[in-house]
Amino acid sequence: EDKVVQSPLSLVVHEGDTVTLNCSYEVTNFRSLLWYKQEKKAPTFLFMLTSSGIEKKSGRLSSILDKKELFSILNITATQTGDSAIYLCAARTTGNQFYFGTGTSLTVIP
Amino acid sequence: GAVVSQHPSWVICKSGTSVKIECRSLDFQATTMFWYRQFPKQSLMLMATSNEGSKATYEQGVEKDKFLINHASLTLSTLTVTSAHPEDSSFYICSASGGGNYGYTFGSGTRLTVV
Repeated sequence: EDKVVQSPLSLVVHEGDTVTLNCSYEVTNFRSLLWYKQEKKAPTFLFMLTSSGIEKKSGRLSSILDKKELFSILNITATQTGDSAIYLCAARTTGNQFYFGTGTSLTVIP
Repeated sequence: GAVVSQHPSWVICKSGTSVKIECRSLDFQATTMFWYRQFPKQSLMLMATSNEGSKATYEQGVEKDKFLINHASLTLSTLTVTSAHPEDSSFYICSASGGGNYGYTFGSGTRLTVV
């Protein structure tokens, strides 16, 4: 059964901390791994990872994919209260099917 | 805890027919459920917000007569795509909020293909 598992389910940190969010997948015909940030109601796209070992960065956020071990991590350094959100990952197949994890809820305390 | 089950995971239907997608919260009461549609370039578009026992609130540009949303109980919301056309082919995903510490939990999504 194809599935995507995220951990932890929720996380509470203080401003300035660094966090690592995990996403593991077991998906047939895997193509790419996507990360989203959801604030309020509408998720926004963060990264799409297709190749192993190549880190993608955007400001304080970075992500990397390991296609051998079937997982991805999302790192956030020097966290801010504005980083509080649900972080969602999804595995995309070559047939354009998406499998979503249930998300990690991040709360950053001032 | 906080599991949302979405069914079916994929469906193929003929043009003109209707398709129902279910979103269930398995271990919590979902007072609010959200329905999204995924467009190219990875973006998720919010279609509507439904609260148990009341009419759904649709986002601008979403046809409420075409995308019927029912949230009749605290654990079930359904999205019915009526008179489906090929342009309705997309990935639909729900999320549910039950308050407390659950935040938003996503279903696994439904791939709809209209032929």
